[in-house]
Parts: sequence; C-alpha cells; structure tokens
Amino acid sequence: EAGVTQSPTHLIKTRGQQATLRCSPISGHTSVYWYQQALGLGLQFLLWYDEGEERNRGNFPPRFSGRQFPNYSSELNVNALELEDSALYLCASSLAVGNQPQHFGDGTRLSIL
Amino acid sequence: GESVGLHLPTLSVQEGDNSIINCAYSNSASDYFIWYKQESGKGPQFIIDIRSNMDKRQGQRVTVLLNKTVKHLSLQIAATQPGDSAVYFCAEKGWDSSYKLIFGSGTRLLVRP
Repeated sequence: EAGVTQSPTHLIKTRGQQATLRCSPISGHTSVYWYQQALGLGLQFLLWYDEGEERNRGNFPPRFSGRQFPNYSSELNVNALELEDSALYLCASSLAVGNQPQHFGDGTRLSIL
Repeated sequence: GESVGLHLPTLSVQEGDNSIINCAYSNSASDYFIWYKQESGKGPQFIIDIRSNMDKRQGQRVTVLLNKTVKHLSLQIAATQPGDSAVYFCAEKGWDSSYKLIFGSGTRLLVRP
C-alpha cells in the first residue's frame, strides 16, 4: 500500500513569492493534516481538512491556506513568503476522525532566499 | 506555537540494551497518544499508539506506558538495534474538538555498536 506522498521534495523561493505544496493521502484516508517543522521548533499543527472542508487551523497567519480536493488530496499554499517560512512541511493522513493514527509523508523542504 | 521548541535531549545506549524514552504531555484531558520515529530526511513514522483507558500497550519490541496521574508517557525499546537510531516524538491528540496532534520536543536516540 502506498504511503502519503508529497511533492515537490524541495522548493526554493524568494521573499514575497508564493509556494504550493501538494499531498496525496493513503488510499481510503479522508482526513489530511499539515504540519510545519522548523529547525529547533518541533512539529507545529497548521491545518486539518476532512471531506473537503477545513476543520481546524493552528496559530498561523492567513497567508497559510489550503484546500482538499474530491479525491482527498490536498494543497498547502503559502503567500507572501517570509524568511521564517523556511521549514519542512509535513502532510499526514488518517482514517475518518476519531482516535486514529496519523501517517506522515516525507515532507517538502521549503527554503526562502 | 503549541509544541515545545527546546534543545533536543539525547539518549545514548549500547546495542542490545533496552531503551526508555520519556515524555511529559500537556493536558490531562488528552485521550490519545502516539509515538513516532523520525530518521534524518524523512517524515515521522508511526510506532505505537495508546488510548487513555489503557496503561500499557505492547508492540513488536516496543512498549508504551501511560501514567495519567503525572501526565507521563514512556516508550521502551527492547534489544535496541543500530536501526533504532533516530529522533523519537510523543504526540497527544488535541483536547479541543480538533484532531490535531500536539508534539513533544523529541529525544534523539543514539545506538552505540
């Protein structure tokens, strides 16, 4: 069974640009989560999508946004990039909500120059 | 952010010994906990989970113990192998209506040959 896949693996942008990160969940999983892993700051929750709807967001500014498509894949968009946005962005998926483990992809490394 | 971003503690063990990694979680209302392993350049890999109605759960070579009285979680790895070298994170499911995970700061496990 294929795991969570993310693309691209690496992304280099400059300040002020926009970035789009993509995620395909495990087949059968309807919930998708996005986390930011900045150096020295651990994993921080960004966004949660389930059945095409945004269900919850973390303490991040509105320039972090996303969506979930009918096939449950998801996009994370970051507008007006800032230097501190440089981080590993991780996507996870799980079965329908409840006490189910979230399974992670290997992330997109976003570097802002 | 909600996850604690401190320096990464390191546990060094001899190959073949047992390892115990500890974690203090945030909220007594949390009802679901997960341990993840993260190797360099990869996303967190699910190891084992436990619900709050349990004190102990065993997997292959791993055991998770939950002490709700002191809000403490531990991961025991039996007969530690070089392939176990990684950063280990505990995570608790958010105590609000969301299903986000709140991650601990992580522990680096080094296995000496």
